[in-house]
Amino acid sequence: AQKVTQAQTEISVVEKEDVTLDCVYETRDTTYYLFWYKQPPSGELVFLIRRNSFDEQNEISGRYSWNFQKSTSSFNFTITASQVVDSAVYFCALIPYGNKLVFGAGTILRVKS
Amino acid sequence: NAGVTQTPKFQVLKTGQSMTLQCAQDMNHEYMSWYRQDPGMGLRLIHYSVGAGITDQGEVPNGYNVSRSTTEDFPLRLLSAAPSQTSVYFCASSYSVREGTEAFFGQGTRLTVV
Repeated sequence: AQKVTQAQTEISVVEKEDVTLDCVYETRDTTYYLFWYKQPPSGELVFLIRRNSFDEQNEISGRYSWNFQKSTSSFNFTITASQVVDSAVYFCALIPYGNKLVFGAGTILRVKS
Repeated sequence: NAGVTQTPKFQVLKTGQSMTLQCAQDMNHEYMSWYRQDPGMGLRLIHYSVGAGITDQGEVPNGYNVSRSTTEDFPLRLLSAAPSQTSVYFCASSYSVREGTEAFFGQGTRLTVV
């Protein structure tokens, strides 16, 4: 079965705090792809990052970083020095090889000034 | 490029009415799909298509029909609207599911069934 679990329903932080959004996935495929999407209050879905199962190198993009660990089937997302503009719903998603895009339930991030 | 164009943005239907949500992409993507978003449930796949003439069911297909006569268009039909279909609907397209390319999404349609 293919499944994505985002156990944190909602997180509230104060501006400038670091925050980590957890994502745990399940798949039996050895080739698969992982994604993070952001949905700001305006409602559109914005692609943030894509990772394939053979690339466990962590990635940093500005204040965003991603930690991919196959051993724990996790693909966590950290925002450093959070800002109010980071307030959004964040979705982790999975494509098992040749299959459909499956989303987690999402984590609502509220950043207060 | 327009990307993924989804219409309408808002719609109110009465129970039992039918309607079609339109979705078009101009990126020559092979894969298109429809999702519904409900609070606390993420995005759930309704139907998808891997190319013109090919469609298949997703996780929550009941009450919806799709067709894919061209690469560009993938309309979603509600056959007889029910209050349980009140949701936000997203159309998405991607170059290749086999290669795990990222999905591009339309702006969404907020549908209310009364």
